[in-house]
Amino acid sequence: EVQLLESGGGLVQPGGSLRLSCAASRFSFSSYAMSWVRQAPGKGLEWVSAISGSGGHTYDADSVKGRFTISRDNSKNTLYLEMNSLRAEDTAVYYCAKPSRCSVGDCREAFDIWGQGTMVTVSS
Amino acid sequence: QSVLTQPPSVSGAPGQRVTISCTGSSSNIGAGYEVHWYQQLPGTAPKLLIYDNSNRPSGVPDRFSGSKSGTSASLAITGLQAEDEADYYCQSYDNSLSGVVFGGGTKLTVL
Repeated sequence: EVQLLESGGGLVQPGGSLRLSCAASRFSFSSYAMSWVRQAPGKGLEWVSAISGSGGHTYDADSVKGRFTISRDNSKNTLYLEMNSLRAEDTAVYYCAKPSRCSVGDCREAFDIWGQGTMVTVSS
Repeated sequence: QSVLTQPPSVSGAPGQRVTISCTGSSSNIGAGYEVHWYQQLPGTAPKLLIYDNSNRPSGVPDRFSGSKSGTSASLAITGLQAEDEADYYCQSYDNSLSGVVFGGGTKLTVL
């Protein structure tokens, strides 16, 4: 079964940093662009960042531009999200998501596979 | 607020039909980008329900259907069941934001 498994969430102080990971299994990881999507407590879904299958192109939402960096290691089938200068409004469950058929990064396709999510809490 | 507008809540009795709207603009749905729908049960990750406006992934019951017209899209659920009680989200792409956009979500209550 195709699977995504996030890790790395936790409690961090405002201004701090955190690195999330997403381990992919049972699909050709490098053939697909990947995204991070977050959901603040009791709120809706918000797309955060995307990266092409090769890792050569990245895209970020304005809300995280300059603070978050998406990357991937195709040899380890793993997606990352480096989060710096964290703010209270970054508190959310962070999901990694795979598009159904996109490799370039700037995807318009549906996300057919989602991880279970990892919680990030930014608080002093 | 969200780029795509959904009603915060809808409700219906078992067996009834409900629709959830998703209203966008000329930079997203109206620009011709596809609309996708997700179902999110409490405490779980979103699950793909409808892709490319009106297509169902394998395993999704045909009680769920999607449509798109102009700057809006709709999700219809017929023969409501208790297990349909969940949050539903629409998704598209916005060329002025150069990224994926979601609706604010609609909570479906089965009475």
